[in-house]
Amino acid sequence: EAEVAQSPRYKITEKSQAVAFWCDPISGHATLYWYRQILGQGPELLVQFQDESVVDDSQLPKDRFSAERLKGVDSTLKIQPAELGDSAMYLCASSSLAGSNEQFFGPGTRLTVL
Amino acid sequence: QQQVKQSPQSLIVQKGGISIINCAYENTAFDYFPWYQQFPGKGPALLIAIRPDVSEKKEGRFTISFNKSAKQFSLHIMDSQPGDSATYFCAATDSWGKLQFGAGTQVVVTP
Repeated sequence: EAEVAQSPRYKITEKSQAVAFWCDPISGHATLYWYRQILGQGPELLVQFQDESVVDDSQLPKDRFSAERLKGVDSTLKIQPAELGDSAMYLCASSSLAGSNEQFFGPGTRLTVL
Repeated sequence: QQQVKQSPQSLIVQKGGISIINCAYENTAFDYFPWYQQFPGKGPALLIAIRPDVSEKKEGRFTISFNKSAKQFSLHIMDSQPGDSATYFCAATDSWGKLQFGAGTQVVVTP
């Protein structure tokens, strides 16, 4: 069964350090999403890609966060420098078509910033 | 500003009972209303979804009721089982597919 892959599953870092998360969507899925889920809350969209292009990054804190999907397949989300408030679950999701309502989520990366 | 409001925050139900979770929205551009189930340490998984031209959708023990005029929708879990213990999120999307999630409801089913 096709799944969205994410790594690492857990990351502990100190504030002011750089961290990076990787996502491999379901094969053939053109749309990729990065969400942040703070404990006890619903996921919030950070960035949406259609192939290699950013469609929506309005909620991405661009002073410290960056995301890329260079070949339109896998994607990397980076935080530099990390802050205490960045501690959260970072989820990647993919869907087969832009505007497709069904999004498939990966297991997430749990980030703890000390 | 949360575009989808969800209640209750948590609920406890006995095995065999009915769990009911309610959501409300304001944006009339929303045209798809999914429910996601999330277990600890896992990503959300699509459970059931409805479009606003339908008032009810049932899949197994899970039913969505939708009230377009009131801009409200709810999830009913019939014959709740311990394996249903999870966090449930309602969500809504517009034609661009941007998911707006509710805050989540933690459901605990006691044996």
